[in-house]
Amino acid sequence: NAGVMQNPRHLVRRRGQEARLRCSPVKGHSHVYWYRQLPEEGLKFMVYLQKENIIDESGMPKERFSAEFPKEGPSILRIQQVVRGDSAAYFCASSQQGGSNQPQHFGDGTRLSIL
Amino acid sequence: GESVGLHLPTLSVQEGDNSIINCAYSNSASDYFIWYKQESGKGPQFIIDIRSNMDKRQGQRVTVLLNKTVKHLSLQIAATQPGDSAVYFCAVSLGGGSQGNLIFGKGTKLSVKP
Repeated sequence: NAGVMQNPRHLVRRRGQEARLRCSPVKGHSHVYWYRQLPEEGLKFMVYLQKENIIDESGMPKERFSAEFPKEGPSILRIQQVVRGDSAAYFCASSQQGGSNQPQHFGDGTRLSIL
Repeated sequence: GESVGLHLPTLSVQEGDNSIINCAYSNSASDYFIWYKQESGKGPQFIIDIRSNMDKRQGQRVTVLLNKTVKHLSLQIAATQPGDSAVYFCAVSLGGGSQGNLIFGKGTKLSVKP
């Protein structure tokens, strides 16, 4: 009865490289959310996806960041041409039903470090 | 929009005492509230939630109180144990099926002294 699985747990990239973060939701959940957390801060919403659709990307930077949740396979958060300011913990959550008035269950995150 | 603030960034309690963690929100249209516990190196763990049509909800050793008049939310932990040491976040939603975002406060770090 696995929860939300994220990988890798730690990712190191040099400036200018690409980072790919993966998230497999709880089995049976078709709604996925991505959040970013800086040290000593709360989580900041980035994007909400349902299978093959982006529902709400109001928290996603306009450039370099993209997300997908294909019909088969995990959700991917992709950061192109990474910069030092992208260093953070990225968390994925999933829910059985959609929208922010449903319980969201989180994975243990990917800690991204940019050299 | 919505903003969420915690009253205290840190809280230290004696083992066995009750803990109260407070949270304030700004938007009266907020209709769903969740408390999460985050241990070091881990993701937020769901503790308890409450909807705006309620003012109190109880779980195992935890109680959430919602005061919509003053836009205030609290988490009470009974008989606090060392395993309760963590950062606690309140998260608030404006609701609506098409919106995904929970708004998180900055968190209160709870330390339990043996």
